[in-house]
Order: sequence, then C-alpha cells, then structure tokens
Amino acid sequence: IAGITQAPTSQILAAGRRMTLRCTQDMRHNAMYWYRQDLGLGLRLIHYSNTAGTTGKGEVPDGYSVSRANTDDFPLTLASAVPSQTSVYFCASSPATTGARGYTFGSGTRLTVV
Amino acid sequence: GENVEQHPSTLSVQEGDSAVIKCTYSDSASNYFPWYKQELGKRPQLIIDIRSNVGEKKDQRIAVTLNKTAKHFSLHITETQPEDSAVYFCAASSNAGGTSYGKLTFGQGTILTVHP
Repeated sequence: IAGITQAPTSQILAAGRRMTLRCTQDMRHNAMYWYRQDLGLGLRLIHYSNTAGTTGKGEVPDGYSVSRANTDDFPLTLASAVPSQTSVYFCASSPATTGARGYTFGSGTRLTVV
Repeated sequence: GENVEQHPSTLSVQEGDSAVIKCTYSDSASNYFPWYKQELGKRPQLIIDIRSNVGEKKDQRIAVTLNKTAKHFSLHITETQPEDSAVYFCAASSNAGGTSYGKLTFGQGTILTVHP
C-alpha cells in the first residue's frame, strides 16, 4: 500500500442493500474524510474523523455511517442504499486535524444504486 | 457553515492564453485556501495553496491571489497548455475556529478546456 487506497473501484448496488466502502492509508495521517462528488456540486463532506476513536458529521451525513477503530482504516457504510446515493465517493486524509494542510485523496469509488 | 462559491463553471481558452478562476467564501475564520486539479477519471490533486498571511503565491505557470477583506481568492494559469485541461476546485478551511475549522469546504468546480 502506498498512500491511500479505496475499494471497490466501482459497484452497482440494488436499492435497499447495505454496503461498506473501504478506505485505508499508510501515511499515519491523523485526519480522514469521506466526500461525495456529484456533477455541478463539487465535493461535499459526508463524515470525518480527526483521530482514531472519534468521528463527526459533515455537510451530507444522512444515510451514511463511519467508524475509526484505528489510524489506518476509515470505512463508510450505507445502511440501506437509495438511488440518490449514486455518486463517486472519495476518501481523503491529512496529517493535520486543523485542516491547514492539503488532503491526499484516494482513487475513488463509483457507486451506482439501482 | 462555510460556503464556497466558484466561477465560472466552465472556461474555454486557446493554448497560450491565460485562465482565471475565482472563488468567494463566507467564513471569516477561514485561513487556508488550496486548489485541486482533477483530470478525467482521476483523483483530485493539490496544485497550490495559500494561507491568510500571504496575498499571492506563484509556482511556475500557476499563481493564487487572496483578498481576505473581500473574502475571495483566485487561481491564475498563464501560458495554458492542452494538458492543463481538467476540473479545478478551490477550497477553504480554518485552523482557528469557525464553521470551517479542520475541514475543507470545496467550490463547485470549473471545467477548463484548453484548445490547441
């Protein structure tokens, strides 16, 4: 692993199904984030974690949950997927919890809910 | 919370021309302003950033300016090349409190096309 890795790369999911998007980083960054990217709306923050054991809600948290059991992993779970959750999901990490440093992004997960 | 507005949404220029993308933000506590470039199907990558104690920063053909009083910042690309074609995002965050503390809020993105 070099940097930040997301899995799967893409997924087609039936509405109502549960799914977990995985994110792992090996940079020992304290802060991790989940964004969704939709055309014309830019990147919107779903959830974040400033350090292992803590999480917070972003701009669009409804329908999503996260956990941060350790420094490296930050999975995003859709409990019951809906078509409006069709999007490209990016995980990111930063060495600074204050947000005053740039993010490193994963390669993204393209999710289609049908 | 913090709100970042980015304009224009699309920008088309001829190779060699300059391109300017502008962003405004709402949270006066924001003091860190990065710009990201995202090529088609790829992840966003940091290209330049500026902090509130600096008014302008340059890196070869790209530069960013910041006006804290007016709460706006801009990306300038000179001598554009076809490989500059991408989506560009501005963002803002704060390390000194406020609603943007610790988290980047992104603009809506600008699709830049550089024609050969």
